[in-house]
Amino acid sequence: QQQVKQSPQSLIVQKGGISIINCAYENTAFDYFPWYQQFPGKGPALLIAIRPDVSEKKEGRFTISFNKSAKQFSLHIMDSQPGDSATYFCAASGSGGSEKLVFGKGTKLTVNP
Amino acid sequence: DAGITQSPRHKVTETGTPVTLRCHQTENHRYMYWYRQDPGHGLRLIHYSYGVKDTDKGEVSDGYSVSRSKTEDFLLTLESATSSQTSVYFCAIGVRSGNTIYFGEGSWLTVV
Repeated sequence: QQQVKQSPQSLIVQKGGISIINCAYENTAFDYFPWYQQFPGKGPALLIAIRPDVSEKKEGRFTISFNKSAKQFSLHIMDSQPGDSATYFCAASGSGGSEKLVFGKGTKLTVNP
Repeated sequence: DAGITQSPRHKVTETGTPVTLRCHQTENHRYMYWYRQDPGHGLRLIHYSYGVKDTDKGEVSDGYSVSRSKTEDFLLTLESATSSQTSVYFCAIGVRSGNTIYFGEGSWLTVV
């Protein structure tokens, strides 16, 4: 069974702090790793994604770090803000049209003001 | 905005009744998906489609069927709803060979 294990389940961070969410995968054929952000009552929204040809990708305050040998990737949110409070999902898939995303179980992030 | 509309957005139904959820897209994407989201389980794939009349099962397909007679519409049917199917259902479209997916706003279904 293909799996993506995400931790922690919940995370509380003070405003201005760094939020870190980790994911680990098993299938070495995975080569696409997106993160989704979901606010209450809304659908998940694609936040940032990485492929294994790079070890890091940054978009604004959001950074994905990728460690291919360890089969792990993580999301770092710098200068966390209360507006970042949401549930975050990591996911992974292989290439090609027949490959489907496998999701982690989510991390509920709360950023206190 | 990924051009995805789900209907109904909220529904309460009785155990044993059939329910159909509709997903409509405006951008002619080939790949469409139905997920359910439950506390502690994250997002789980129910069924997916690679094109008109081309569908397949996901990891939690029991009790669900789908149909795609037009590119723009993907229907999810609960033939006989059960309380365990109380959930939030998300439709999604896949772009770039299906790996990159965009979700709709969700349909909240309560089976009493």
